[in-house]
Amino acid sequence: AQKITQTQPGMFVQEKEAVTLDCTYDTSDQSYGLFWYKQPSSGEMIFLIYQGSYDEQNATEGRYSLNFQKARKSANLVISASQLGDSAMYFCAMREGDAGGTSYGKLTFGQGTILTVHP
Amino acid sequence: DAGITQSPRHKVTETGTPVTLRCHQTENHRYMYWYRQDPGHGLRLIHYSYGVKDTDKGEVSDGYSVSRSKTEDFLLTLESATSSQTSVYFCAISQIGQSNEKLFFGSGTQLSVL
Repeated sequence: AQKITQTQPGMFVQEKEAVTLDCTYDTSDQSYGLFWYKQPSSGEMIFLIYQGSYDEQNATEGRYSLNFQKARKSANLVISASQLGDSAMYFCAMREGDAGGTSYGKLTFGQGTILTVHP
Repeated sequence: DAGITQSPRHKVTETGTPVTLRCHQTENHRYMYWYRQDPGHGLRLIHYSYGVKDTDKGEVSDGYSVSRSKTEDFLLTLESATSSQTSVYFCAISQIGQSNEKLFFGSGTQLSVL
């Protein structure tokens, strides 16, 4: 079974509107972390946001927020007030296991969602 | 910017030749990683290191070896390159805070094995 599932191969949004990119995950661990990355056409991987499994509040970083629904095993990325520069590939990823152990940085990635922002 | 430099940025090589990719970091991070990115697969972990001379295998380690003799350098070697190793290779470092965790990536190396 896929550990990270991103069901939207492509998404379109109008500039200045909000958009939600879906991510579901599968793990039996109690401790895990969820990440979102942006990859523009230039190719670099840009860290956006992190959510720990024990964090009770949804993570936010500027215009990015992570809608964490633990029971549903979903970690959707919400981008508010979309900008043309938000057009990129977006990856959801998960780190399983206790971050205090030997699982730092060992991420499993989804296949990504291409977001296109229209003017 | 986590001070990660990958070299070379692009490389074309022939099947059967050895190739070494270098990752250099300037901020004394303990944890370093090598990932590869292929179409339809997202990123996959090749090898990782939790310190000097402390390395281990990731999900797709066959055909690769690594070395870390200094904190700042993490080398990825393809002993005998194959066409299936044509990919974009990313080095990464972990930055861990009290309630936060970030994995920062270098700019990537595009490797073509002909």
